[in-house]
This record gives sequence, structure tokens and C-alpha cells, in this order.
Amino acid sequence: QVQLVQSGAEVKKPGASVKVSCKASGYTFTSYGISWVRQAPGQGLEWMGWISAYNGNTNYAQKLQGRVTMTTDTSTSTAYMELRSLRSDDTAVYYCARDKWELRNWGQGTLVTVSS
Amino acid sequence: QSVLTQPPSASGTPGQRVTISCSGSSSNIGSNYVYWYQQLPGTAPKLLIYRNNQRPSGVPDRFSGSKSGTSASLAISGLRSEDEADYYCAAWDDSLNGGVFGTGTKVTVL
Repeated sequence: QVQLVQSGAEVKKPGASVKVSCKASGYTFTSYGISWVRQAPGQGLEWMGWISAYNGNTNYAQKLQGRVTMTTDTSTSTAYMELRSLRSDDTAVYYCARDKWELRNWGQGTLVTVSS
Repeated sequence: QSVLTQPPSASGTPGQRVTISCSGSSSNIGSNYVYWYQQLPGTAPKLLIYRNNQRPSGVPDRFSGSKSGTSASLAISGLRSEDEADYYCAAWDDSLNGGVFGTGTKVTVL
């Protein structure tokens, strides 16, 4: 069955960077893209962007342009999301999900806390 | 901020029908498919409805979706206690060239 397993919780200081991983199994990794969605505490869902696992093409949310980079490693079927210049309002649970927008399979989420 | 507007809450007694609305614009709902996600407390979202009104396998037919113009709605019939969750609509937005989620609706079973 399709599984997306994310890396563990992180605590970062303002201005630092974080890199979250998402290891896929149960399907051909390069046949689908990976999307990233985040959810601040008590808030709604926010789409962050998408990367094609086939050719590495990316599409980022406008508000995160310049701070976010999404990559994949096809040899390990793993996707990565790096967010730089962290601020307190980046504190959230970060989810990876399979596909560009029809998100049928999700990772378990990674809590990133930004605090001085 | 979210560009798709949902009521913050909805409620009903077991067995009742509850409807959740989702209001958007011509650049999102008006020109693209609508999706609905269910999020139980402390868990990742789950795809409930795709392409306006299609249910993934395993989703009960108590859940149905519809779309008209720049609005969409999710109906839950025969409400059950396990339906208590947050529900989000979603659509691609051509102007933003990105995905947008609704503000979310918390469903309470009284």
C-alpha cells in the first residue's frame, strides 16, 4: 500500500532553515509528484507547492517564493522540503502528500516549531 | 489568507443531513475541480470528494459533493458521531497558479 513517512519534529530558531523529508513506498515514485501542505496550530490548511518526481519541475506558492525549495531523490524515493529564514509564523505541522492536487495519500506530518 | 470561504461551524443530531458551503471565484471553483478533505482531530487530512462529486473507494455514499458556478457544497446525510471533524474544500486557482484551501468547517454531532 502507498505510504509516505516523514522525518521527526524539529525546533528551530528564527532565521534558521529546516529540511523535512518524506519517504515514499508502495508505488512507482517517479509516476507522481509530491505536494507540501502546512497547518499552523489551530489554523487551516495552506498549500505550499508541488514537485514532479519525474523531472523535478516545481510550482511554489507565491507567498513562499524565495524561501522554499522542494527536491526529490529518486534513488531513495524521498522528497524534501527546505524552508529558510524561518519566522515564528512558520510554526506548523508540515505534510507531504502524493500527487499535484488530488491528494489521496498523506504523510503523518512533521511539527516544526520556530522559537527563540 | 484563504480565498475559499466556508462557514466556521455546522452541527446536527445523529441521522440528520448537514450541508457545508464553499464560496470561491471564477479563477478557482469557477474553472477547476473542487475537492473536499476530512480531518479528524490530530490526524492528516483525508480525501473525501474529488473532481466535484466523486468519492474515493471506501468513502461512504453518505458523503456527496456538488458544484454550481463559483460555489460548491458538501452534504453529509445520516450524520454519525464519527463524522465529527474539520472539513476543507480545495481548488486550483488559475490566477495564483497554485492550490487554495477553504477556511474550514468544524462539524459537531450533537
